[in-house]
Amino acid sequence: LAKTTQPISMDSYEGQEVNITCSHNNIATNDYITWYQQFPSQGPRFIIQGYKTKVTNEVASLFIPADRKSSTLSLPRVSLSDTAVYYCLVGFNSGNTPLVFGKGTRLSVIA
Amino acid sequence: NAGVTQTPKFQVLKTGQSMTLQCAQDMNHNSMYWYRQDPGMGLRLIYYSASEGTTDKGEVPNGYNVSRLNKREFSLRLESAAPSQTSVYFCASSPSTGYGGYTFGSGTRLTVV
Repeated sequence: LAKTTQPISMDSYEGQEVNITCSHNNIATNDYITWYQQFPSQGPRFIIQGYKTKVTNEVASLFIPADRKSSTLSLPRVSLSDTAVYYCLVGFNSGNTPLVFGKGTRLSVIA
Repeated sequence: NAGVTQTPKFQVLKTGQSMTLQCAQDMNHNSMYWYRQDPGMGLRLIYYSASEGTTDKGEVPNGYNVSRLNKREFSLRLESAAPSQTSVYFCASSPSTGYGGYTFGSGTRLTVV
């Protein structure tokens, strides 16, 4: 499984756009890039997944350059409720190769 | 939409006691997983079941056993609880292949004294 590197923590003010970058230099051809969000005392929640270029949904955008060795999760106009831990995972979604969670990025949104 | 349901939500055990954590999903997912999360840490995989009838060890299987009872249910058993097993346990499920992420339960907070 591809190893990922992301910042341990980030701070942001309400209303700002937040970009969290994840490095995954040894990503394999079949691998997808998936981001999860975890609030305290809750299980992680799937946010967004992509393979290449850009993916956007109602929560976030995911930017993936052509070489796919990194990806950036973009959260537009964050609010206090976006304070959470964000995990970047890389792998092929197969039941035989479970996803491995790192420590994630702890995002703190300040009023 | 129940998703993934875990029971119990909280449990306190004495060292040496046994218990089973229950997990059920209603999304017709083939694969199910058990993770544990210690304070300030990421999730670590205990066991997983790629499909009904199969189970495999993850990163930290020692002290645990699992049963994939049917496609919906995947239980985790602690035969002789130890204080080091104090943690929050999360069950998850996913489609076996292709596009789609994991759906997690709300967790079981276990304290072993």
